[in-house]
Amino acid sequence: TQLLEQSPQFLSIQEGENLTVYCNSSSVFSSLQWYRQEPGEGPVLLVTVVTGGEVKKLKRLTFQFGDARKDSSLHITAAQPGDTGLYLCAGYTGTASKLTFGTGTRLQVTL
Amino acid sequence: NAGVTQTPKFQVLKTGQSMTLQCAQDMNHEYMSWYRQDPGMGLRLIHYSVGAGITDQGEVPNGYNVSRSTTEDFPLRLLSAAPSQTSVYFCASSYRSGTGVGRSPLHFGNGTRLTVT
Repeated sequence: TQLLEQSPQFLSIQEGENLTVYCNSSSVFSSLQWYRQEPGEGPVLLVTVVTGGEVKKLKRLTFQFGDARKDSSLHITAAQPGDTGLYLCAGYTGTASKLTFGTGTRLQVTL
Repeated sequence: NAGVTQTPKFQVLKTGQSMTLQCAQDMNHEYMSWYRQDPGMGLRLIHYSVGAGITDQGEVPNGYNVSRSTTEDFPLRLLSAAPSQTSVYFCASSYRSGTGVGRSPLHFGNGTRLTVT
């Protein structure tokens, strides 16, 4: 059973466009992380959100944690080819030692 | 500056063979884990360890064994390989377990691509 569902699964956009990726669950998370993965490499952490309603910005990336801590979104403004990659949300529930990953959103940004 | 090192990078096995995927970290992290990544499924937790001598099962543990005799190493053993175990395997570590782990980033290796024929 996948606790975290991400949408869309695939996204192909042109440079300069904006986009939003969603991460949804029926479970409450104590904290939620977003990772980006490039081909042939492991995921790399982008951000951690811990408080319901929290908003964090990382240059052109804006992350939001839902008020009920069941969902999160990642918004990218003016996407660039360097943003291309697989975006994964991941959350801790119940047992703090288990990090559950979402299904992933593969983003391609073309010139 | 090695971080998490996984070996081998690629492996092809025949059904029924056994092998060990190696994982070592040099950051003195308490927590280590193994994930497998399959298309459309994200990363699924196989086994994890919160410290030397302590291991526990994740979401998909069947067919895999682990041990943690030292802080640095966390090998994953495939007992009798099956085609369903064809996947990319990632080892990851983080600073500490417990309530603080929710804020500690996972540091990943670059993966082992395993094919079972």
